[in-house]
Amino acid sequence: DGGITQSPKYLFRKEGQNVTLSCEQNLNHDAMYWYRQDPGQGLRLIYYSQIVNDFQKGDIAEGYSVSREKKESFPLTVTSAQKNPTAFYLCASSGRALRNEQFFGPGTRLTVL
Amino acid sequence: KQEVTQIPAALSVPEGENLVLNCSFTDSAIYNLQWFRQDPGKGLTSLLLIQSSQREQTSGRLNASLDKSSGRSTLYIAASQPGDSATYLCAVNPHLSIQGAQKLVFGQGTRLTINP
Repeated sequence: DGGITQSPKYLFRKEGQNVTLSCEQNLNHDAMYWYRQDPGQGLRLIYYSQIVNDFQKGDIAEGYSVSREKKESFPLTVTSAQKNPTAFYLCASSGRALRNEQFFGPGTRLTVL
Repeated sequence: KQEVTQIPAALSVPEGENLVLNCSFTDSAIYNLQWFRQDPGKGLTSLLLIQSSQREQTSGRLNASLDKSSGRSTLYIAASQPGDSATYLCAVNPHLSIQGAQKLVFGQGTRLTINP
């Protein structure tokens, strides 16, 4: 089955720790994205990548970092510099077809202890 | 700056009713608009995508319309069922990147409850 996987489903972080969220897709999509969702709010873009070894900041990139070494993978690191990291994190991907739909993974819920 | 608004924030209707969810955006220069469904604690599922040149798209009991000039889109759900209960989000794609990436701008969603 083609799709997007995210792991872990739940993640707990202590103050001062860096944590990495995994995102993998087998849809052969070029573009990948990371979003943050807070309760009762829409999604906000953290980072996106259009091709391997290239990525761009979104609207709320401070305190986050990413890498894109493989087409299939786009991990997100939440650093200790992110002051309020507790949220639901969603990864997405899209292809180059005219329709350009974005497809989403199941999400990772991060909680700071 | 593009802003997307969805009103109401929550809606509760009895099973079997037809209903309309609203989405408005401030800048009519968009490439496409996408409607998503989100179940509690889950990711987003794409429902319909409307290109800027289209007026509407249909999938089963769902029909989405787009009026770019007025900055509005509606999602019509026919013969609602309890399984339709979820949060519905609309997202606007402001432009087409040559490489294909999109910076979607999301509304805050409408939480829909269908009562049996």
